[in-house]
Amino acid sequence: GQQLNQSPQSMFIQEGEDVSMNCTSSSIFNTWLWYKQEPGEGPVLLIALYKAGELTSNGRLTAQFGITRKDSFLNISASIPSDVGIYFCAGRKVRGSQGNLIFGKGTKLSVKP
Amino acid sequence: NAGVTQTPKFQVLKTGQSMTLQCAQDMNHEYMSWYRQDPGMGLRLIHYSVGAGITDQGEVPNGYNVSRSTTEDFPLRLLSAAPSQTSVYFCASSYWTDTGELFFGEGSRLTVL
Repeated sequence: GQQLNQSPQSMFIQEGEDVSMNCTSSSIFNTWLWYKQEPGEGPVLLIALYKAGELTSNGRLTAQFGITRKDSFLNISASIPSDVGIYFCAGRKVRGSQGNLIFGKGTKLSVKP
Repeated sequence: NAGVTQTPKFQVLKTGQSMTLQCAQDMNHEYMSWYRQDPGMGLRLIHYSVGAGITDQGEVPNGYNVSRSTTEDFPLRLLSAAPSQTSVYFCASSYWTDTGELFFGEGSRLTVL
Protein backbone atom coordinates (compact mmCIF):
# COMPACT_ATOMS: atom_id res chain seq x y z
CA GLY A 1 0.00 0.00 0.00
CA GLN A 2 0.87 3.67 -0.07
CA GLN A 3 3.69 4.60 2.29
CA LEU A 4 5.10 7.72 3.81
CA ASN A 5 8.84 7.69 4.46
CA GLN A 6 9.51 9.50 7.70
CA SER A 7 13.05 10.30 8.83
CA PRO A 8 14.96 10.06 10.97
CA GLN A 9 13.55 7.07 12.84
CA SER A 10 14.96 8.37 16.10
CA MET A 11 16.88 11.34 17.44
CA PHE A 12 18.87 11.87 20.62
CA ILE A 13 19.53 15.55 21.24
CA GLN A 14 20.64 17.91 23.95
CA GLU A 15 18.16 20.30 25.52
CA GLY A 16 18.27 23.61 23.69
CA GLU A 17 19.12 22.13 20.30
CA ASP A 18 16.93 22.57 17.24
CA VAL A 19 15.29 19.52 15.64
CA SER A 20 14.34 18.80 12.05
CA MET A 21 12.40 15.84 10.69
CA ASN A 22 10.70 15.18 7.41
CA CYS A 23 8.23 13.02 5.59
CA THR A 24 8.32 12.11 1.90
CA SER A 25 6.16 10.22 -0.53
CA SER A 26 6.28 9.19 -4.16
CA SER A 27 2.73 10.49 -4.54
CA ILE A 28 1.21 13.95 -4.36
CA PHE A 29 -0.72 14.81 -1.19
CA ASN A 30 -3.31 17.52 -0.66
CA THR A 31 -3.03 17.60 3.12
CA TRP A 32 -0.13 17.12 5.51
CA LEU A 33 -0.52 16.84 9.28
CA TRP A 34 1.89 16.42 12.17
CA TYR A 35 0.96 14.59 15.39
CA LYS A 36 2.85 13.99 18.64
CA GLN A 37 2.38 10.91 20.81
CA GLU A 38 3.60 10.78 24.39
CA PRO A 39 4.09 7.44 26.19
CA GLY A 40 0.82 5.74 27.08
CA GLU A 41 -1.32 8.29 25.29
CA GLY A 42 -2.95 8.82 21.94
CA PRO A 43 -1.51 11.12 19.27
CA VAL A 44 -2.29 14.81 19.50
CA LEU A 45 -2.52 17.08 16.47
CA LEU A 46 0.24 19.68 16.31
CA ILE A 47 -0.09 21.32 12.90
CA ALA A 48 -2.25 20.86 9.79
CA LEU A 49 -1.19 22.08 6.34
CA TYR A 50 -3.53 22.41 3.37
CA LYS A 51 -1.64 24.36 0.72
CA ALA A 52 1.61 23.70 -1.15
CA GLY A 53 4.35 25.97 0.16
CA GLU A 54 2.41 26.74 3.35
CA LEU A 55 4.54 27.43 6.41
CA THR A 56 2.73 27.24 9.76
CA SER A 57 3.97 27.69 13.31
CA ASN A 58 2.65 26.50 16.65
CA GLY A 59 4.85 27.93 19.38
CA ARG A 60 8.35 26.51 18.91
CA LEU A 61 7.12 24.18 16.19
CA THR A 62 7.15 25.07 12.51
CA ALA A 63 5.93 22.85 9.69
CA GLN A 64 6.01 23.26 5.94
CA PHE A 65 4.01 21.76 3.10
CA GLY A 66 6.58 21.04 0.39
CA ILE A 67 6.25 22.81 -2.96
CA THR A 68 6.27 19.49 -4.82
CA ARG A 69 3.36 18.28 -2.58
CA LYS A 70 5.37 15.11 -1.99
CA ASP A 71 6.96 16.11 1.29
CA SER A 72 6.58 17.97 4.55
CA PHE A 73 8.99 19.14 7.24
CA LEU A 74 8.70 19.75 10.97
CA ASN A 75 11.17 21.84 12.93
CA ILE A 76 11.33 22.26 16.69
CA SER A 77 13.42 25.13 17.99
CA ALA A 78 15.21 25.21 21.34
CA SER A 79 14.07 21.76 22.43
CA ILE A 80 13.01 21.10 26.03
CA PRO A 81 12.54 17.81 27.92
CA SER A 82 8.76 17.83 27.42
CA ASP A 83 9.31 17.61 23.64
CA VAL A 84 10.08 13.90 24.17
CA GLY A 85 7.72 11.63 22.26
CA ILE A 86 7.03 10.14 18.87
CA TYR A 87 6.21 12.54 16.06
CA PHE A 88 4.04 11.24 13.24
CA CYS A 89 3.41 12.79 9.88
CA ALA A 90 0.16 12.00 8.09
CA GLY A 91 -0.92 12.76 4.59
CA ARG A 92 -4.07 12.62 2.58
CA LYS A 93 -4.16 12.37 -1.20
CA VAL A 94 -7.75 13.25 -1.82
CA ARG A 95 -9.72 15.92 0.00
CA GLY A 96 -13.08 14.67 1.10
CA SER A 97 -12.04 11.14 1.92
CA GLN A 98 -10.91 10.32 5.44
CA GLY A 99 -10.19 6.77 4.34
CA ASN A 100 -7.12 7.97 2.49
CA LEU A 101 -5.29 9.37 5.56
CA ILE A 102 -1.89 7.66 5.77
CA PHE A 103 0.53 7.83 8.70
CA GLY A 104 4.31 7.65 8.66
CA LYS A 105 6.13 5.29 11.04
CA GLY A 106 7.17 8.09 13.36
CA THR A 107 10.30 9.83 14.60
CA LYS A 108 11.15 9.09 18.23
CA LEU A 109 12.65 12.12 19.93
CA SER A 110 14.72 11.89 23.10
CA VAL A 111 15.95 15.06 24.81
CA LYS A 112 18.80 15.01 27.28
CA PRO A 113 18.55 17.71 29.95
CA ASN B 1 -15.47 17.44 28.26
CA ALA B 2 -14.22 13.88 28.34
CA GLY B 3 -13.25 13.92 24.63
CA VAL B 4 -12.73 10.42 23.22
CA THR B 5 -13.07 7.66 25.79
CA GLN B 6 -11.90 4.10 25.15
CA THR B 7 -12.55 1.04 27.28
CA PRO B 8 -10.98 -1.19 28.36
CA LYS B 9 -7.44 0.19 28.55
CA PHE B 10 -5.93 -3.29 28.80
CA GLN B 11 -7.26 -6.71 27.79
CA VAL B 12 -5.83 -10.19 27.47
CA LEU B 13 -7.67 -12.71 25.31
CA LYS B 14 -7.16 -16.29 24.30
CA THR B 15 -7.13 -17.21 20.63
CA GLY B 16 -10.68 -17.62 19.37
CA GLN B 17 -12.35 -15.47 22.01
CA SER B 18 -14.46 -12.52 21.03
CA MET B 19 -14.62 -9.08 22.54
CA THR B 20 -15.68 -5.51 21.90
CA LEU B 21 -13.54 -2.40 22.32
CA GLN B 22 -15.73 0.53 23.23
CA CYS B 23 -15.29 4.09 21.99
CA ALA B 24 -17.41 7.07 22.92
CA GLN B 25 -17.03 10.77 22.17
CA ASP B 26 -18.95 13.69 23.62
CA MET B 27 -17.96 16.32 21.06
CA ASN B 28 -20.80 15.65 18.58
CA HIS B 29 -18.27 14.56 15.96
CA GLU B 30 -19.62 13.00 12.80
CA TYR B 31 -16.41 11.19 11.88
CA MET B 32 -15.09 8.29 13.98
CA SER B 33 -12.42 5.74 13.23
CA TRP B 34 -10.34 2.89 14.60
CA TYR B 35 -6.58 2.54 14.13
CA ARG B 36 -4.12 -0.08 15.26
CA GLN B 37 -0.53 0.71 16.19
CA ASP B 38 2.17 -1.94 16.08
CA PRO B 39 5.85 -1.56 17.07
CA GLY B 40 7.84 0.27 14.40
CA MET B 41 4.72 0.86 12.35
CA GLY B 42 2.62 3.89 11.88
CA LEU B 43 -1.08 3.98 12.59
CA ARG B 44 -3.13 1.83 10.25
CA LEU B 45 -6.81 2.47 9.66
CA ILE B 46 -9.15 -0.44 10.41
CA HIS B 47 -12.66 0.96 9.91
CA TYR B 48 -14.22 4.40 9.86
CA SER B 49 -17.63 6.06 9.93
CA VAL B 50 -18.76 9.43 8.58
CA GLY B 51 -22.02 9.41 10.51
CA ALA B 52 -24.57 7.25 12.29
CA GLY B 53 -25.52 4.26 10.17
CA ILE B 54 -22.53 4.64 7.81
CA THR B 55 -19.33 2.63 8.07
CA ASP B 56 -16.53 1.75 5.68
CA GLN B 57 -13.36 -0.30 5.59
CA GLY B 58 -9.88 1.07 6.02
CA GLU B 59 -6.50 -0.43 5.22
CA VAL B 60 -6.65 -3.47 7.55
CA PRO B 61 -10.33 -4.43 8.16
CA ASN B 62 -10.08 -8.23 8.18
CA GLY B 63 -11.07 -9.81 11.49
CA TYR B 64 -12.87 -6.71 12.76
CA ASN B 65 -16.49 -5.53 12.68
CA VAL B 66 -17.95 -2.13 13.46
CA SER B 67 -21.35 -0.49 13.68
CA ARG B 68 -22.48 3.10 14.28
CA SER B 69 -25.96 3.26 15.75
CA THR B 70 -25.44 6.63 17.44
CA THR B 71 -23.25 9.67 16.82
CA GLU B 72 -21.49 9.14 20.14
CA ASP B 73 -20.46 5.47 20.00
CA PHE B 74 -18.33 3.42 17.62
CA PRO B 75 -17.52 -0.05 19.01
CA LEU B 76 -14.94 -2.34 17.42
CA ARG B 77 -15.66 -6.07 17.56
CA LEU B 78 -13.19 -8.90 17.31
CA LEU B 79 -15.23 -11.98 16.46
CA SER B 80 -12.49 -14.61 16.86
CA ALA B 81 -9.27 -13.13 18.21
CA ALA B 82 -5.93 -14.16 16.70
CA PRO B 83 -2.38 -13.49 17.98
CA SER B 84 -1.86 -11.21 14.95
CA GLN B 85 -4.43 -8.88 16.48
CA THR B 86 -2.18 -8.18 19.45
CA SER B 87 -1.76 -4.43 19.21
CA VAL B 88 -2.64 -1.05 20.65
CA TYR B 89 -5.94 0.21 19.32
CA PHE B 90 -6.85 3.86 19.04
CA CYS B 91 -10.23 5.39 18.42
CA ALA B 92 -10.25 8.83 16.81
CA SER B 93 -12.96 11.32 15.95
CA SER B 94 -13.29 14.55 14.02
CA TYR B 95 -15.91 17.23 13.59
CA TRP B 96 -15.04 17.43 9.92
CA THR B 97 -15.24 14.42 7.63
CA ASP B 98 -12.59 15.55 5.17
CA THR B 99 -9.61 17.18 6.94
CA GLY B 100 -7.63 14.56 8.83
CA GLU B 101 -7.68 16.64 12.02
CA LEU B 102 -8.34 13.88 14.51
CA PHE B 103 -8.90 13.68 18.27
CA PHE B 104 -7.54 10.39 19.61
CA GLY B 105 -8.47 8.37 22.65
CA GLU B 106 -5.81 7.08 25.05
CA GLY B 107 -5.68 3.65 23.47
CA SER B 108 -6.59 0.07 24.35
CA ARG B 109 -3.75 -2.43 24.64
CA LEU B 110 -4.88 -5.89 23.53
CA THR B 111 -2.87 -9.09 23.91
CA VAL B 112 -4.05 -12.30 22.26
CA LEU B 113 -2.41 -15.47 23.57
